[in-house]
Parts: sequence; structure tokens; C-alpha cells
Amino acid sequence: QKEVEQNSGPLSVPEGAIASLNCTYSDRGSQSFFWYRQYSGKSPELIMSIYSNGDKEDGRFTAQLNKASQYVSLLIRDSQPSDSATYLCAVGPNQAGTALIFGKGTTLSVSS
Amino acid sequence: DAGVIQSPRHEVTEMGQEVTLRCKPISGHDYLFWYRQTMMRGLELLIYFNNNVPIDDSGMPEDRFSAKMPNASFSTLKIQPSEPRDSAVYFCASSFGLGGKNIQYFGAGTRLSVL
Repeated sequence: QKEVEQNSGPLSVPEGAIASLNCTYSDRGSQSFFWYRQYSGKSPELIMSIYSNGDKEDGRFTAQLNKASQYVSLLIRDSQPSDSATYLCAVGPNQAGTALIFGKGTTLSVSS
Repeated sequence: DAGVIQSPRHEVTEMGQEVTLRCKPISGHDYLFWYRQTMMRGLELLIYFNNNVPIDDSGMPEDRFSAKMPNASFSTLKIQPSEPRDSAVYFCASSFGLGGKNIQYFGAGTRLSVL
């Protein structure tokens, strides 16, 4: 069974620090990778997507992908209390016509 | 576009009652997904549709759960009879295309409590 694994946390960082969130996946042929942010009581919202090996930066967020290691990460620079949320990793399997597989999420807490 | 619209936002019912959750996907999207989220199990895919046709319902927990999509702008998830263990947040999501760079957009969710 295809799986996406995340450390549930909570991950606690002080304001201004770098938060590093990690995700591993089992399907070596996976092609697309997404990070969703979910505030408490709200729905998941997409914040980053990445499709090829390397880094992708968007403002304070950087997604990193290493397909050989089957590993994707999200770095949040200059963390703010407003970044406190659960971050869900989602992976698009290689098999055509197959939906995204979500990890259970990592809870991030940024203290001021 | 208003995004994915779900109703009701909250539902409280008693064990044994029928529950119907509703979803209107983003106009033009051809895929619709139903998820269930709990603390223990995270976000679970229950079923998804392509052009109103169910494609994969392997995530539907048991026969008490059923889903329909009578047209491109409306879908329902029904639980009959409901049980306390069905208490969760149910999300509907839609996308244009599946996989690759096609993004799933989520509705606000329905918080279901079965007493």
C-alpha cells in the first residue's frame, strides 16, 4: 500500500527561526508533491507544489525534493506565530488515474 | 468563483439517523473528492468522481456510506444509519484533471457529531 509518512509533532520553534518539516513516501514512481497548510478548524489550503528534484522557493517557503531518497521537505524561514498550523504532505502517485495520498500532517507551533 | 461549497457546516445527529452532506464543486472542475478527517486517522479519501462517475470508492468504510453525483455541480455523501464512530470532519474537494500539476481545492468542511 502506498504511504506518505510525516512526524506528527508538535514541532515547536521560536519566532524568527527556521522550521523544517519532513515527509517520506513509498511509491518510487511518484510525480507530484504538495504541501497543504491547515489551520485549526479550517480546511487544507495549498501553499507549495514541487515536481522535480531540487529546491523551489516562494517567499519564506522552500520546498525540497529528493526522489532518490523518496523525501520531500518544507522549510519556513523567519517563522511567525501565524505559521502555527498543521502541514499536510500530499503525493501524486505514478499510476494514472490515481488520487493524491496525504500524510497525517505535522503540527507546527511558533512561539513569540 | 466561490470555491468549493459544502453544507451544512455543522451537523449534530443521534445514532441511527440518516445524514446527508452536500457539495458544490468549482465550476469547470471534472474531479470531485470526498474525504474524512479525524485526529487518529488523518485525512482519508472516501471516494472520488470523474465527470460525475464514481471512479474509486475503496475508501468508503462500509455499506452505510453512499455517495452520488447526479450532475457536474452537485454531490452528496449519505450515511445511513449513522453511528458515533462516524463523527469527524468531512471535506469535499475538486480539481480540473487528476495528478500531475492539477491542484485539489477543498471546501470548508462539514463537522459531523453523532451522539
